[in-house]
Amino acid sequence: AQSVSQHNHHVILSEAASLELGCNYSYGGTVNLFWYVQYPGQHLQLLLKYFSGDPLVKGIKGFEAEFIKSKFSFNLRKPSVQWSDTAEYFCAVNAEGNKLVFGAGTILRVKS
Amino acid sequence: SQTIHQWPATLVQPVGSPLSLECTVEGTSNPNLYWYRQAAGRGLQLLFYSVGIGQISSEVPQNLSASRPQDRQFILSSKKLLLSDSGFYLCAWSRRRGGEAFFGQGTRLTVV
Repeated sequence: AQSVSQHNHHVILSEAASLELGCNYSYGGTVNLFWYVQYPGQHLQLLLKYFSGDPLVKGIKGFEAEFIKSKFSFNLRKPSVQWSDTAEYFCAVNAEGNKLVFGAGTILRVKS
Repeated sequence: SQTIHQWPATLVQPVGSPLSLECTVEGTSNPNLYWYRQAAGRGLQLLFYSVGIGQISSEVPQNLSASRPQDRQFILSSKKLLLSDSGFYLCAWSRRRGGEAFFGQGTRLTVV
């Protein structure tokens, strides 16, 4: 069965620091990969997605993620975080075409 | 455009009472439909997903069931609620074959 691991549950950064959130999945076949964000008191929204093609995916608000097939990873990055990036981030994988599985989430707090 | 409606937004139910949460999608046909439960530190736990009318896949053994009586309607039910059923329930839909999920507003269920 597919599963998704997010390595850090809590991350605290200062403004302008670089961000990298880890995500690994377990499934040997073709996958579709997603990062979602949930700002405090708000609903989940899609940050970026990977279906095929260029493994470096650009998303909204300056986020990007890199799909490394050999490592079963889809890490989220941002060169310089802002206070407004404080949120919970979820990695998700659809590995069987119809079932979308989420990781446990990473809570990011950016100190101003 | 597509919209997803989930109701009620909040619900307080006594232990042993039945449950029915409803979710409907507009503006698309043949969607994949999902029920998730979101808990702090555990991400979004996939409870059920459906690829068509009457087709339900259950991901975890529990006190809940799901039904899809119509193409764009997904219902989460229980015959007798337990205290442990308290939580935040999210309905979502996606297009077929691995698309991104779009979420409803969620239902905060408190079993007392």
